[in-house]
Amino acid sequence: DTEVTQTPKHLVMGMTNKKSLKCEQHMGHRAMYWYKQKAKKPPELMFVYSYEKLSINESVPSRFSPECPNSSLLNLHLHALQPEDSALYLCASSQDPGQARYEQYFGPGTRLTVT
Amino acid sequence: QKEVEQDPGPLSVPEGAIVSLNCTYSNSAFQYFMWYRQYSRKGPELLMYTYSSGNKEDGRFTAQVDKSSKYISLFIRDSQPSDSATYLCAMSVAGAGNNRKLIWGLGTSLAVNP
Repeated sequence: DTEVTQTPKHLVMGMTNKKSLKCEQHMGHRAMYWYKQKAKKPPELMFVYSYEKLSINESVPSRFSPECPNSSLLNLHLHALQPEDSALYLCASSQDPGQARYEQYFGPGTRLTVT
Repeated sequence: QKEVEQDPGPLSVPEGAIVSLNCTYSNSAFQYFMWYRQYSRKGPELLMYTYSSGNKEDGRFTAQVDKSSKYISLFIRDSQPSDSATYLCAMSVAGAGNNRKLIWGLGTSLAVNP
């Protein structure tokens, strides 16, 4: 089973709201990722968690706050977002973040609209 | 010059055609090569991954890597309307610490017409 689940599927929020995106995998993968994807663009890496520790932050604004409560769960907390943050937010996981062979498996994404 | 070049298309073919999708890259440190398929408004789905130069086949799909030319291809035989999607190539490279990152092509939009 190579399933990564994400909730919610769709989210509409105002610029003053606080919301969270959730991601879960039960493949025993030790690396988890958040990506942002705009229309007709490839996924853009935001954060990498390796063995439940934040290992890569691609200079993401502080209005995005990741959290990894355990090896199966990944959250992305959102606060004071801007309309340009509207995008598809993708979660992914891979077996071992340091191995050359480390294909990533993606969830279906959360489509976020900021009004 | 981008590290990974991929023609965004769109590419339109009749049902049953053989489709050839390609990416070129400039960084010889890239080690692992992946092809993802993404349907509209869905997450990317891993189709194929390869490491060494040569061919790898899985059903109607064949992935080809030529490291000497820094060129990878995905062939789809007997294409079906259900193959209509965006195909993204991705390559792994060492990132910060002991982590690896994926470097993506822009994706090629494919339409298979019945």
